[in-house]
Amino acid sequence: EVQLVESGGGLVKPGGSLRLSCAASGFTFSSYSMNWVRQAPGKGLEWVSSISRGSSGSRYIYYADSVKGRFTISRDNAKNSLSLQMNSLRVEDTAMYYCVRESGEQLVDYWGQGTLVIVSS
Amino acid sequence: DIVMTQSPDSLAVSLGERATINCKSSQSVFYSSNNKNYLAWFQQKPGQPPKLLIYWASTRNSGVPDRFSGSGSGTDFTLTISSLQAEDVAVYYCQQYHTTPPTFGQGTKVEIK
Repeated sequence: EVQLVESGGGLVKPGGSLRLSCAASGFTFSSYSMNWVRQAPGKGLEWVSSISRGSSGSRYIYYADSVKGRFTISRDNAKNSLSLQMNSLRVEDTAMYYCVRESGEQLVDYWGQGTLVIVSS
Repeated sequence: DIVMTQSPDSLAVSLGERATINCKSSQSVFYSSNNKNYLAWFQQKPGQPPKLLIYWASTRNSGVPDRFSGSGSGTDFTLTISSLQAEDVAVYYCQQYHTTPPTFGQGTKVEIK
């Protein structure tokens, strides 16, 4: 059974940093591209970032314009783990962050339960 | 970015009746090279993550009841629930995965009348 378990969310002040993690199990993690998608409270879904499968020197990484230069996605295939380093956080980054598997051609299929990030003074 | 616009924003349907949700993309999400529309539908129930219902515009995901169906091509798509059940109360999102960044519609809330 595919499982994606996020952690690392919490309350942080504007300008602060937070690192989210996603532990994957039930599938061959290294064979799949992975994504982060977020959802502000009571709002819709917003894609944040994606990282392709493959070795570290040949991965494709993409970011939404809203987080480019502030967030960094990474993965550790040996640990079946996906991460999102979030710096210079803004109030508008407040959201539930979901770790999402990509089955291929940018189609996402499995979602974790999410971890909540609140940016507030 | 491709803008996805759903209509209506919400709808109330009686149990057993048909529910129809529309989704329009600002540009085509069809690739003629493989004859596929890069359009998916997700269902999100309160307090839960989204669940993939339909992909390639009309292919039901494994385990999804056959009362859910998707149709359309190019820029105009439809999700139909043929006979609404109580457990179908949720917010439904369309998403294009044709072009980076993948983008979602604003969501359609389905309730029981």
